[in-house]
Amino acid sequence: DAKTTQPTSMDCAEGRAANLPCNHSTISGNEYVYWYRQIHSQGPQYIIHGLKNNETNEMASLIITEDRKSSTLILPHATLRDTAVYYCIVPYNFNKFYFGSGTKLNVKP
Amino acid sequence: DAGVIQSPRHEVTEMGQEVTLRCKPISGHNSLFWYRQTMMRGLELLIYFNNNVPIDDSGMPEDRFSAKMPNASFSTLKIQPSEPRDSAVYFCASSLGAGSGEKLFFGSGTQLSVL
Repeated sequence: DAKTTQPTSMDCAEGRAANLPCNHSTISGNEYVYWYRQIHSQGPQYIIHGLKNNETNEMASLIITEDRKSSTLILPHATLRDTAVYYCIVPYNFNKFYFGSGTKLNVKP
Repeated sequence: DAGVIQSPRHEVTEMGQEVTLRCKPISGHNSLFWYRQTMMRGLELLIYFNNNVPIDDSGMPEDRFSAKMPNASFSTLKIQPSEPRDSAVYFCASSLGAGSGEKLFFGSGTQLSVL
């Protein structure tokens, strides 16, 4: 079972920032938070992951709270192609990735 | 690198037939995972291997399912006999290792339809 909780769905206007929250209140000190997305029926795609510090790459930014009990994925300028299901994952035993229901992000023109 | 390669992309079979799904992980990756995705149950982890050895198969639904990894570059997931409820998209994924901070890379999946 997933160790995270996410909203079921969110809307975002094209060109605006999309902020996707995730709660992981039982996370332990050495566990990473990962974000993946799945567009339609394609295989899940890695976005970003982090341990304690905020992270940024070409796709997104990850903001982790100081107590590490929650995080936010930020897509700075959402496009229609970012419409997907976004999964926040804290793996069991470091590499058992359980995907919950995720957040369905709808980017609207 | 070509990424994780799965075959076939689509498989249609009749109930009772044997089905074999194939996966080639990314070269150099030591961990391999099989997932199944349905509308009802979402993405389920079936089994994962580390260095070709099955580590955890607790997600395998029943004895009709079996998975092998004869070498570092090939794995199979077999269903025998297949049933209509096995219809799903089956994904294979690989990662560099089993340690913390490793990323999973997924293949494009096999769409299985059992009639």
